Amino acid sequence: ETGVTQSPTHLIKTRGQQVTLRCSSQSGHNTVSWYQQALGQGPQFIFQYYREEENGRGNFPPRFSGLQFPNYSSELNVNALELDDSALYLCASSLGGDSPKQQFFGPGTRLTVL
Amino acid sequence: QKEVEQNSGPLSVPEGAIASLNCTYSDRVSQSFFWYRQYSGKSPELIMSIYSNGDKEDGRFTAQLNKASQYVSLLIRDSQPSDSATYLCAVKGYGQNFVFGPGTRLSVLP
Repeated sequence: ETGVTQSPTHLIKTRGQQVTLRCSSQSGHNTVSWYQQALGQGPQFIFQYYREEENGRGNFPPRFSGLQFPNYSSELNVNALELDDSALYLCASSLGGDSPKQQFFGPGTRLTVL
Repeated sequence: QKEVEQNSGPLSVPEGAIASLNCTYSDRVSQSFFWYRQYSGKSPELIMSIYSNGDKEDGRFTAQLNKASQYVSLLIRDSQPSDSATYLCAVKGYGQNFVFGPGTRLSVLP
């Protein structure tokens, strides 16, 4: 167990809806990164939050947004869901902002968009 | 576009054999290299990290890094059926995000 938790475990939404996914980082970790992993592919970086500020963003549209709270937990929000948003959403926590040595993943949220 | 490439597999090896997993990366300024294991339906689990050229051993696992060739590998000795999983290579430069390869599926046959 990494100490990183995510909720919910599974989620089914319909196209056009909005979703919020949650992540609690490992104790002492101040950085949370979010990834999207489609079936059969490696995780794709969405964005990272360090000390409540966005600290890097991958090639995802603005309808993917996030927050980090003072306790370093984080949310990923996706608006106007599309069928291609169906994937495993992973959060990873680490210590160190720009140059974390390691990051540890939570169990993931499986999102299905119908 | 920073890229990390891996053979998708599946790579099949008999139980007790050495499994060799390879990864190449495009960004020369990459500094940190990681191997993750991912069982089907589960999240990635960090198994090795390597930062300097050469070999790093941890139990049955050995990571090898050659920055000049932009190549990193993972050897699994005495492979067990429980090692059957997808192995993800991840690369990171200073101030940059982690970039993952597509993963290699390993199947260890009893």
